[in-house]
Amino acid sequence: DQQVKQNSPSLSVQEGRISILNCDYTNSMFDYFLWYKKYPAEGPTFLISISSIKDKNEDGRFTVFLNKSAKHLSLHIVPSQPGDSAVYFCAASRTGTASKLTFGTGTRLQVTL
Amino acid sequence: DTAVSQTPKYLVTQMGNDKSIKCEQNLGHDTMYWYKQDSKKFLKIMFSYNNKELIINETVPNRFSPKSPDKAHLNLHINSLELGDSAVYFCASSQGSVGNTIYFGEGSWLTVV
Repeated sequence: DQQVKQNSPSLSVQEGRISILNCDYTNSMFDYFLWYKKYPAEGPTFLISISSIKDKNEDGRFTVFLNKSAKHLSLHIVPSQPGDSAVYFCAASRTGTASKLTFGTGTRLQVTL
Repeated sequence: DTAVSQTPKYLVTQMGNDKSIKCEQNLGHDTMYWYKQDSKKFLKIMFSYNNKELIINETVPNRFSPKSPDKAHLNLHINSLELGDSAVYFCASSQGSVGNTIYFGEGSWLTVV
């Protein structure tokens, strides 16, 4: 039973354009969401997070949007750069309980020149 | 200066052997984790320790035994290795055990032959 889903295994975007990565979740108890970026042979690196009390969080080129009613979040990267090419994992957890991230299966982003 | 470091990075071993993966964090965090990424790329939590106390223990075979000698270390010992144990094991840490960002090590690639 996969509670966090990333339905697009891969995405290709031209440099300078916007990358939009999507994530859906099924557990309505999740209230804290994170995006991690992973390069080959490295561990996931924290990118940005959002609490369920917000619907948007921005950090430089990265913005995460949360739509609680649709149980959907997205990560926008603008402008996309070649160094952004990596696998992006969406993760979710519940506050008030011991931290336990539930991850999606990842989306491989390729930013082309 | 690596924040969460784990050794070895690569390990190839025969079925039936016992092996350990060591993890250390220098972030001053009080909570540490072991995650497993299997062949299907699912990243799932195995264990979590807060101040050396076990707080999360997912459905993991008894052959896997974590040990936390202090807050900065969480080692994973695996007995009687099986082919299905082949995976990437990620150590991670966070400050606090509730709803906080988790930082990952680079991973240990375990191959059981």
